[in-house]
Amino acid sequence: DQQVKQNSPSLSVQEGRISILNCDYTNSMFDYFLWYKKYPAEGPTFLISISSIKDKNEDGRFTVFLNKSAKHLSLHIVPSQPGDSAVYFCAAKEGAQKLVFGQGTRLTINP
Amino acid sequence: SAVISQKPSRDICQRGTSLTIQCQVDSQVTMMFWYRQQPGQSLTLIATANQGSEATYESGFVIDKFPISRPNLTFSTLTVSNMSPEDSSIYLCSVVLAGYYNEQFFGPGTRLTVL
Repeated sequence: DQQVKQNSPSLSVQEGRISILNCDYTNSMFDYFLWYKKYPAEGPTFLISISSIKDKNEDGRFTVFLNKSAKHLSLHIVPSQPGDSAVYFCAAKEGAQKLVFGQGTRLTINP
Repeated sequence: SAVISQKPSRDICQRGTSLTIQCQVDSQVTMMFWYRQQPGQSLTLIATANQGSEATYESGFVIDKFPISRPNLTFSTLTVSNMSPEDSSIYLCSVVLAGYYNEQFFGPGTRLTVL
């Protein structure tokens, strides 16, 4: 039973354009959502998060949108840069419970 | 921010042997966790490392196979026992830093290959 799903295993975007990574969840009790970036041979790096009481959170080039009715969140990266090429994981948690991760989306930024 | 270090960074081991992975944090920590990332897969929580007491294991993971210690707030070890090729994975520790509640921060990982 996969509670957090990233249905796109890969995404290719041209440098300077917008990258949109999507994530769906099934557990309506999740109240906090996070995005991590992972380079090969490194641990995941925390990027940005959002509480379920908000619908948008922005940090520089990164914006996360949350649509609770659709149980959907997305990460927007604008403008996309070559250094953004990595695997992106979304994760969700309920209260003090554990993080549940999606399968990841490999983002490739093309020059 | 904090520095989270793991040792070793990688290892190649023979079937039937055991490997102990260390995780050290240079800041105050409230919670520590151990994850596994199998090739091409997502991150799966193995257990929550509890200071001074037995770890709390997730379904599918048992103490005999993955014994965990956390003798103090900032240090933990994970042992992968009686290894088989199926244990080949990246093992990651993560922490919740003091002053945070929701975000977990990860170490660099230990890449284990079992032959």
